Amino acid sequence: AQTVTQSQPEMSVQEAETVTLSCTYDTSESDYYLFWYKQPPSRQMILVIRQEAYKQQNATENRFSVNFQKAAKSFSLKISDSQLGDAAMYFCAVKNNNDMRFGAGTRLTVKP
Amino acid sequence: DAGVIQSPRHEVTEMGQEVTLRCKPISGHDYLFWYRQTMMRGLELLIYFNNNVPIDDSGMPEDRFSAKMPNASFSTLKIQPSEPRDSAVYFCASSGSSGANVLTFGAGSRLTVL
Repeated sequence: AQTVTQSQPEMSVQEAETVTLSCTYDTSESDYYLFWYKQPPSRQMILVIRQEAYKQQNATENRFSVNFQKAAKSFSLKISDSQLGDAAMYFCAVKNNNDMRFGAGTRLTVKP
Repeated sequence: DAGVIQSPRHEVTEMGQEVTLRCKPISGHDYLFWYRQTMMRGLELLIYFNNNVPIDDSGMPEDRFSAKMPNASFSTLKIQPSEPRDSAVYFCASSGSSGANVLTFGAGSRLTVL
């Protein structure tokens, strides 16, 4: 099964600034999908952004974008113009053949 | 659609008791997943079903854990007997059949075993 590593247990960012959360993964498959999920204190898992591994173009969703480096097996999340509501745990995930594995998460704090 | 529905939201029980967690997936989704979240181990995939059939249960911790999916709209995760180390948040998620499909999660069931 694939593995996912998030090397930053905690990150903080000033409101309106930009922050990048890191994620690396390992998989033997060539066809897979990458995701970032957000988990606020309510504990609900919310999809932030999705990337297909076969696509070279980096996915973007409003203030959220990814830097996908397939050869390096890296999938970082950039949050622009950070807002207080972005404070949460962020989980990187890799999905192959309907088997989705998560990293340990990064806790993001947003300072007003 | 009401999303993935889990019950109970919170469960407190004593060691040795049987615990049953329930999940109703999104209608039309043919994959269902059970995850466990703890501080120490993060989010762990326990088991997943496709069209009500268990596909991979390699993440189930031990024989005290069992999961069933009797029909397309209902699944259970049972722990018997429960132990304090089973205390965790248990998530159910469902998705469609494409590999690109996103997993939609329920709100989770927080289990505390005393």
